[in-house]
Amino acid sequence: DTGVSQDPRHKITKRGQNVTFRCDPISEHNRLYWYRQTLGQGPEFLTYFQNEAQLEKSRLLSDRFSAERPKGSFSTLEIQRTEQGDSAMYLCASNHFSFGTSGGKNNEQFFGPGTRLTVL
Amino acid sequence: GEDVEQSLFLSVREGDSSVINCTYTDSSSTYLYWYKQEPGAGLQLLTYIFSNMDMKQDQRLTVLLNKKDKHLSLRIADTQTGDSAIYFCADAPTARQLTFGSGTQLTVLP
Repeated sequence: DTGVSQDPRHKITKRGQNVTFRCDPISEHNRLYWYRQTLGQGPEFLTYFQNEAQLEKSRLLSDRFSAERPKGSFSTLEIQRTEQGDSAMYLCASNHFSFGTSGGKNNEQFFGPGTRLTVL
Repeated sequence: GEDVEQSLFLSVREGDSSVINCTYTDSSSTYLYWYKQEPGAGLQLLTYIFSNMDMKQDQRLTVLLNKKDKHLSLRIADTQTGDSAIYFCADAPTARQLTFGSGTQLTVLP
């Protein structure tokens, strides 16, 4: 198992352009999470999926952001009409959630290396 | 809303103990976590503690929890240069997301 992977690792774009990031979770993990991390801050939750269903979205996720997980495996995060304030590290995490598992393990999220977005 | 706070910087000498502190506001959190972030690498879970526990020890790591004061600490014994990183505490007010502090940059001096 190679862990959570994200692509690309770095993206530089001009304001107003659209960008799309991909996350491949650890296989068999049914939950996938997106976080955003700005310099000097901790990650902030954006959204999560259980299998292919997007179950929760943070108010940080404006209408310009959309995430999908069409087959319950990899996920994409698209940002339309990027703004300079979108510059951040976008982190993906995954885990396997089970009602029969203790709560601590259920929140043991495994993170990918992130995609660093720079909007010029 | 939930809030998790940490001091920003900590410097220690190699071989000394490091203590990283964290406070949180959400009393409903049942689990609290410590993550480590090294440059260019993803967040790595170090340990977690159930809110009914006062202490958890895992090799060089000791987590202390004062639920009354909503205070969490991570002690690293015999700190090594490889421990230099950013350490985040996080709580899990729901079973769906983690709320992270701003992180503590630990610098280990030779």
